[in-house]
Amino acid sequence: DIVLTQSPLSSPVALGEPASISCRSSQSLVHSEGNTYLSWLHQRPGQPPRLLIHKISNRFSGVPDRFSGSGAGTDFTLKISRVEVEDVGVYYCTQATQFPRTFGQGTKVEIK
Amino acid sequence: QVQLVQSGAEVKKPGASVKVSCKASGYTLTSYDINWVRQATGQGLEWMGWMNPNSGNTGYAQKFQGRVTMTRNTSISTAYMELSSLRSEDTAVYYCARGTRTFDFWGQGTLVTVSS
Repeated sequence: DIVLTQSPLSSPVALGEPASISCRSSQSLVHSEGNTYLSWLHQRPGQPPRLLIHKISNRFSGVPDRFSGSGAGTDFTLKISRVEVEDVGVYYCTQATQFPRTFGQGTKVEIK
Repeated sequence: QVQLVQSGAEVKKPGASVKVSCKASGYTLTSYDINWVRQATGQGLEWMGWMNPNSGNTGYAQKFQGRVTMTRNTSISTAYMELSSLRSEDTAVYYCARGTRTFDFWGQGTLVTVSS
């Protein structure tokens, strides 16, 4: 199975400051057809996860442009340019290149 | 708008089975795969398996092989996940999530509590 390792696991950030989360994969996430199926999810307390970014860097519908994704192969990053109150919660990376689908452990973002 | 609405909370005894439903609206159920993901309290996300609602084809995580069954009723746009031989460690919120190469829409979650 592909193991996704996120860091940091906790990230206290001041309002308006940037935040960055890393996701490293135990194997390349490049699919044989050429796409890389790495997504980022955000989960607020008591809510289901919601999709932020898919295929490394594509923002999902309605996601603010302060969220951006980058990376390639086995190393990926989610960046929030200026953290807002509504951004608190847990962020997960997930891969859909191979079965079984897997998730990172999650990174908790809180306001400092 | 796309919505996945799941059935309500369940309390089951060890050894019993539970069947959770996921009703799709705002799109055609057969157009996208449905995945099932669970989350124990305070823990991360765990993928259980997927189903192609058009063909009925399924694929399950090895951990759940033999205990999980994913089905659908296309006439009512509903997908189902049944988990058998429940144990206390199966206490979790169970989510359905749409998508083949990502999880773009999620149900609200169904809490399944396994307790004697």
